[in-house]
Amino acid sequence: SQTIHQWPATLVQPVGSPLSLECTVEGTSNPNLYWYRQAAGRGLQLLFYSVGIGQISSEVPQNLSASRPQDRQFILSSKKLLLSDSGFYLCAWSVDRGLRNIQYFGAGTRLSVL
Amino acid sequence: AQSVSQHNHHVILSEAASLELGCNYSYGGTVNLFWYVQYPGQHLQLLLKYFSGDPLVKGIKGFEAEFIKSKFSFNLRKPSVQWSDTAEYFCAVKEYSGAGSYQLTFGKGTKLSVIP
Repeated sequence: SQTIHQWPATLVQPVGSPLSLECTVEGTSNPNLYWYRQAAGRGLQLLFYSVGIGQISSEVPQNLSASRPQDRQFILSSKKLLLSDSGFYLCAWSVDRGLRNIQYFGAGTRLSVL
Repeated sequence: AQSVSQHNHHVILSEAASLELGCNYSYGGTVNLFWYVQYPGQHLQLLLKYFSGDPLVKGIKGFEAEFIKSKFSFNLRKPSVQWSDTAEYFCAVKEYSGAGSYQLTFGKGTKLSVIP
């Protein structure tokens, strides 16, 4: 069966420090991968998605970037964190079935920037 | 661009009360519809989905949702809630966004608190 792993679960970082959140999927190949941010009262905001290695689409211009160095690995990064980067970050995967694909979510990383 | 509205930010119910959470979307074309649930301390998981066919769909744990195309709505219902239903519920809409890709847009979520 397919599983998705995100780490770390919780992270506290100072303003201006770099960030690297990792997400890996097991049990499937060539998944679509997604990074979302969940802010209180604002629902889930899609940040990046990837349909293949090295293919990244950005939905919202911001202080973050994403990379997909391997088929089942998706990394969310920042060179210098801002206070506004605090939030709950979710990675998700899907098998591309077009309109009918279902996204499955990881457990998330709670990031606090101080 | 698609927008998804969930009318209630926080709903508080007593056990055995009936639940209805509203969800409306803006796009008038072909969509697929989802409800996700996030229990405290757990990850987001799929509660139910609508792709086509019978507009009344049943999900896990006694939840159901009705797709009313004319009203652009996909409301979530449960006849009798339990304390264990305390969670945050997200409505999501999938539409074709062009160039072979599909966009999943989430509502802001509704927190449900069930009082024993």
